[in-house]
Parts: sequence; structure tokens; C-alpha cells
Amino acid sequence: DADVTQTPRNRITKTGKRIMLECSQTKGHDRMYWYRQDPGLGLRLIYYSFDVKDINKGEISDGYSVSRQAQAKFSLSLESAIPNQTALYFCATSDGGGGMNEQFFGPGTRLTVL
Amino acid sequence: ELKVEQNPLFLSMQEGKNYTIYCNYSTTSDRLYWYRQDPGKSLESLFVLLSNGAVKQEGRLMASLDTKARLSTLHITAAVHDLSATYFCAVDLWASYGGATNKLIFGTGTLLAVQP
Repeated sequence: DADVTQTPRNRITKTGKRIMLECSQTKGHDRMYWYRQDPGLGLRLIYYSFDVKDINKGEISDGYSVSRQAQAKFSLSLESAIPNQTALYFCATSDGGGGMNEQFFGPGTRLTVL
Repeated sequence: ELKVEQNPLFLSMQEGKNYTIYCNYSTTSDRLYWYRQDPGKSLESLFVLLSNGAVKQEGRLMASLDTKARLSTLHITAAVHDLSATYFCAVDLWASYGGATNKLIFGTGTLLAVQP
């Protein structure tokens, strides 16, 4: 079984709809991240969480919100989706704690906003 | 603001040839990561470089880090078709107090195509 899972894997929605992307991990890591990937722009950090009570904005948080329901679960919400939020979204985890902080990525969610 | 630049953005090379991908970054950091992404897939961690002068090798790939020059290189030796993918470097954003924030800033990626 995959260590980092994301649901759904693909989603098509309409402008103005609220949607939630979910991420779960079995790696036991404290730190979780949400990124979006756009062609030619690499990955950009949306939000990150270093433990259940710690939520921080990344480079491009406008239009997004997150919830850390448990150590293993971190969800990303688009309150009112717009077409320029069409992208590939990745969740990642790391162990932090002064270690290598190597981030491990989920399989991604391809989101299309019409 | 930390900026991470990779070059080239696209690299077409023949099997058996050697080449280097460069990753430059604009502010202090001692941590740099290399990832591989196959089309439509997730990112796979290749190397973690944690200090100046760090060198890591795996198969035909070797990565190095020069924190003074703010430069990392990913060297490909005797390329094979299976290495075709997009390669990203990512730099840990350094805090003002001096230390890793564990927030990664990614380069835009280098698309590598190895031709037979």
C-alpha cells in the first residue's frame, strides 16, 4: 500500500463550487504539505503543517484553506473554485525533527475547474 | 526572496553521452534536494544534499552541492533511455536566525529526453 494517498485522483468541477482534496499518510510523519504544479512553473507551496495544531501559509495560499484533522490527515479546500486553479495538486510528508526532512509525495490529484 | 533556477529547461541527449543539469539559487541554504518525475506521475526523491561539498551518487546520476556558489549539479553519465524524465531541484528556505525552515522552493524542472 502507498505511504501517502490522495483522493480523489481526478476531479472536474465548475466555477464557484467548493471542493475538498484529501491526503492521508501511514509514514508516521509529523509534517505535511500541499503543493500545486503548473506547466513551466514547477511546484509551489500552498500550505504546510508541522503538527496537528500548526498550520502555515505557503507561497500561494489565496483561495485555499486547509484542515489537519489528525497527524495522518491533511485536507485542502477550494472555497469557490476558479478556472486558474486548474492544476495538479500534490500532498507531501516529511519527518522534520532535525533529520534530512526528505519530503515524500503522494500520487497527485488532477483538478480541472470549468 | 529565494529563487531557484534550473538550466537547461529542456535537454535532448543521445544514449551513452554525458551531461550536467545546473541548479542555482539566490539566497543562503545548506539543504538541497533532487527529484525525478515521470510523465503523469508523482515526484520520486533522488538525492538529499545537506552540506557544502556533499556529493551523492546512484547509478548513472551524481549530485553535488556548493553552498558558497549556491549551485548544485546533477551529472548524468552514459545516459540511457530509462533516465528520460523531468528533474527538479528544490532548496530548503533558510530562516533569518540561521537554520532550515523545511519549506522547499522548487526549480521549474529540466525535461530530459534520451534518444537512442
